[in-house]
Amino acid sequence: QVQLVQSGAEVKKPGASVKVSCKASGYTFTSYGISWVRQAPGQGLEWMGWISCQTGNTNYPQKFRGRVTMTTDTATRTVYMELRSLRSDDTAVYYCARDIVSYTGGDWGQGTLVTVSS
Amino acid sequence: DIQMTQSPSSLSASVGDRVTITCRASQSINNYLNWYQQKPGKAPKLLIYVASTLQSGVPSRFSGSGSGTDFTLTISSLQPEDFATYFCQQSNSAPPTFGGGTKVDIK
Repeated sequence: QVQLVQSGAEVKKPGASVKVSCKASGYTFTSYGISWVRQAPGQGLEWMGWISCQTGNTNYPQKFRGRVTMTTDTATRTVYMELRSLRSDDTAVYYCARDIVSYTGGDWGQGTLVTVSS
Repeated sequence: DIQMTQSPSSLSASVGDRVTITCRASQSINNYLNWYQQKPGKAPKLLIYVASTLQSGVPSRFSGSGSGTDFTLTISSLQPEDFATYFCQQSNSAPPTFGGGTKVDIK
């Protein structure tokens, strides 16, 4: 079965960077893209971008352009999301999701809590 | 960006009730409308995509309808495991955007 397993919780100081991983199994890795979505405490869902696991092409929304980088490692079937210049309002649970069709998350990771605090 | 407006933001219902949640897009999204269920502390789960296609493994009491800008999620007979928060999402154009959510709790 499809599984996306994310790395563990992180605590970072303002201005630092965080890199979250998402290891995929149970399907042909290069056949699907991965989106990253975050959810601040008690809030809704916010799309952070998408990466093709076949080509490495990315699509980031204006809000995160220049501050986020998504990469893949085909050998280990792992996708990474790095967010730089962290602020307190970046405190959130970060999810990776396998896109079964365009920007539609059919399978999700368990989430990674990133806490930004001085 | 396309704005997604869900209503109501919360509702109370009983087991066996028929529940309807609506979602409106700020412009036409060509039926690229998805519904997710999220329980506390868990990742969202895809229920319905492209407005009315039931995701594999999702019970048939869930259904979706609508086109253009107005969409509906219906739960025909609410079950105890359905108490959760439901989000709509447009996937017609980047950036994909989500509604604010509808929390369904026990009356």
